[in-house]
Amino acid sequence: KAGVTQTPRYLIKTRGQQVTLSCSPISGHRSVSWYQQTPGQGLQFLFEYFSETQRNKGNFPGRFSGRQFSNSRSEMNVSTLELGDSALYLCASSLDGLNSPLHFGNGTRLTVT
Amino acid sequence: QQQVKQSPQSLIVQKGGISIINCAYENTAFDYFPWYQQFPGKGPALLIAIRPDVSEKKEGRFTISFNKSAKQFSLHIMDSQPGDSATYFCAALGNQAGTALIFGKGTTLSVSS
Repeated sequence: KAGVTQTPRYLIKTRGQQVTLSCSPISGHRSVSWYQQTPGQGLQFLFEYFSETQRNKGNFPGRFSGRQFSNSRSEMNVSTLELGDSALYLCASSLDGLNSPLHFGNGTRLTVT
Repeated sequence: QQQVKQSPQSLIVQKGGISIINCAYENTAFDYFPWYQQFPGKGPALLIAIRPDVSEKKEGRFTISFNKSAKQFSLHIMDSQPGDSATYFCAALGNQAGTALIFGKGTTLSVSS
């Protein structure tokens, strides 16, 4: 079974630009979560989607948004990029986002210059 | 109350030794406690997980010990090997759908040969 796939693996953007990251969950998984990983703050929850609905959102500004499609694939968008948005963005999928374990992709490394 | 505190920040163990990483939490609504292993350039991979109704879970060389009254849990890696050198994260998950997985800050383990 294929794991969680995130594209692209690396991105370099300039301050003020916007970026879209993509995540394909494990087949059959309906819950997709996004996390930001930085050396200083560690792993921080961004949001979780289940059946195209956002069920939970972390403490991030409105510049961070996401969506989930009917095939469970998810995208995350960051607008008006800031230097502090440089991070590894991780997507995780699970069967239901409640009683099943989270499986992470290898992330998208975003660098904002 | 949402924090998970992890210690130590870094750990050096000789090959064949026991590695012990500790975590503590405050929120009694947490009911699922996974440990993740992360290698450079990769996403976190689920290692082992426990629920509060058991005090210990063992999978191969990895054991979770759980103390519900003290709100603490720990990972023991027996017969540590150089290939175990990685960053380990403890985490906690609540019992409601869509709840965020709350991570500790991570422990960087180095196993010397």
